[in-house]
Amino acid sequence: QVQLQESGPGLVKPSQTLSLSCTISGDSISSGSYYWGWIRQPAGGGLEWIGRIHTSWATNYNPSLKSRVMISLDTSENRFSLRLTSVTAADTAVYYCARGIVEGGTKLSYYFDYWGQGSLVTVSS
Amino acid sequence: QSVLTQPPSVSAAPGQKVTISCSGSSSNIGNNYVSWYQQLPGTAPKVFMYENDKRPSGIPDRFSGSKSGTSATLGITGLQTGDEADYYCGTWDNNLNAVVFGGGTKLTVL
Repeated sequence: QVQLQESGPGLVKPSQTLSLSCTISGDSISSGSYYWGWIRQPAGGGLEWIGRIHTSWATNYNPSLKSRVMISLDTSENRFSLRLTSVTAADTAVYYCARGIVEGGTKLSYYFDYWGQGSLVTVSS
Repeated sequence: QSVLTQPPSVSAAPGQKVTISCSGSSSNIGNNYVSWYQQLPGTAPKVFMYENDKRPSGIPDRFSGSKSGTSATLGITGLQTGDEADYYCGTWDNNLNAVVFGGGTKLTVL
């Protein structure tokens, strides 16, 4: 059974950098052809996709966050990480990591089959 | 403002049927597959439908999915109180090169 677990500080000061890691158990981050991604959800709000990294290290980011986001792999620790710079109160949310399945050619099937439990990050001084 | 549009809430009585709509455009739903997620309070989302109408293992056949043009629908029959949750649709957007979600629909089983 694949499990994902987020970890990182729960409180970040405005203008600083948010850093989270997602450790995978039950599977190797290098196996298969998965897209490992981050999704966030503000309190009482909907889901917002942050970005993804492929096992080939290729990345894609949400255009609205692209200038502040970086996602990386750490194959030795079987985890991937999120860095979000210059945070503001608007970045306060529960951050989820998830495994993405992407299939298809001209029509893409993209869905998340495994999710972490979520990590609440509050941006406040 | 979400790229995909869902009704904020739907409700129905136990045993009844309900549908949740998800509206998009040609750059997302119109040319890609749709997935649906159930989120119970305080928990992570869970995939309930993928590739428009495929149910993952363990999801009851009371749940169904369909797509027509730039809209998708999640249907739930034989409603149970345990179905009360937020439901989200999601897909890939070819113009944004990003995953997009609907704003979510809160299902209340009266």
